Amino acid sequence: GDSVTQMEGPVTLSEEAFLTINCTYTATGYPSLFWYVQYPGEGLQLLLKATKADDKGSNKGFEATYRKETTSFHLEKGSVQVSDSAVYFCAKGGSGAGSYQLTFGKGTKLSVIP
Amino acid sequence: DSGVTQTPKHLITATGQRVTLRCSPRSGDLSVYWYQQSLDQGLQFLIQYYNGEERAKGNILERFSAQQFPDLHSELNLSSLELGDSALYFCASSPGTGRETQYFGPGTRLLVL
Repeated sequence: GDSVTQMEGPVTLSEEAFLTINCTYTATGYPSLFWYVQYPGEGLQLLLKATKADDKGSNKGFEATYRKETTSFHLEKGSVQVSDSAVYFCAKGGSGAGSYQLTFGKGTKLSVIP
Repeated sequence: DSGVTQTPKHLITATGQRVTLRCSPRSGDLSVYWYQQSLDQGLQFLIQYYNGEERAKGNILERFSAQQFPDLHSELNLSSLELGDSALYFCASSPGTGRETQYFGPGTRLLVL
């Protein structure tokens, strides 16, 4: 079945370091792709999304580009801050008729140290 | 604040019991999705309702059921609870059933003792 695979964590970076979290997916068709973030003790917040090939989603300095040829949607940020410490989830929308439930990766925990 | 509300925030109960989790979607959204987040299974889709009708089912146990009411709020009923049902339960809402973004509530943390 369809799946989302993202790099295992945890990831620990120093402040101002470059961040990449890899995400690949399997799917029939061309699903929408999302990154959600979960801060400690909180729910899921949408970070960014892309709905078609070559789209770039961006928000709060984070970016991800929908790569159809490699079925990937890697998350990047040029300079992380301590406040970026959270769990990041890559997700894809479904392709079932009449429903668009999300399939999530297992999440990557990011810790940024000063 | 996503505009999706969930109650209660925390729930502690015993094995064999039944609980009801409540979700109110964002104003104007017709779809409600339920997800379970557990340490071993990660985030999994349970069930979706659209405008009062069940639209899709995922990995939902037969002991679990849900419904969506005319005012569009939804309830997830969990019965004959087991220790393994301890998890964070999220609901999300979206305007329709297509490629729109789903906005998540803060979740209900269920602990079964």
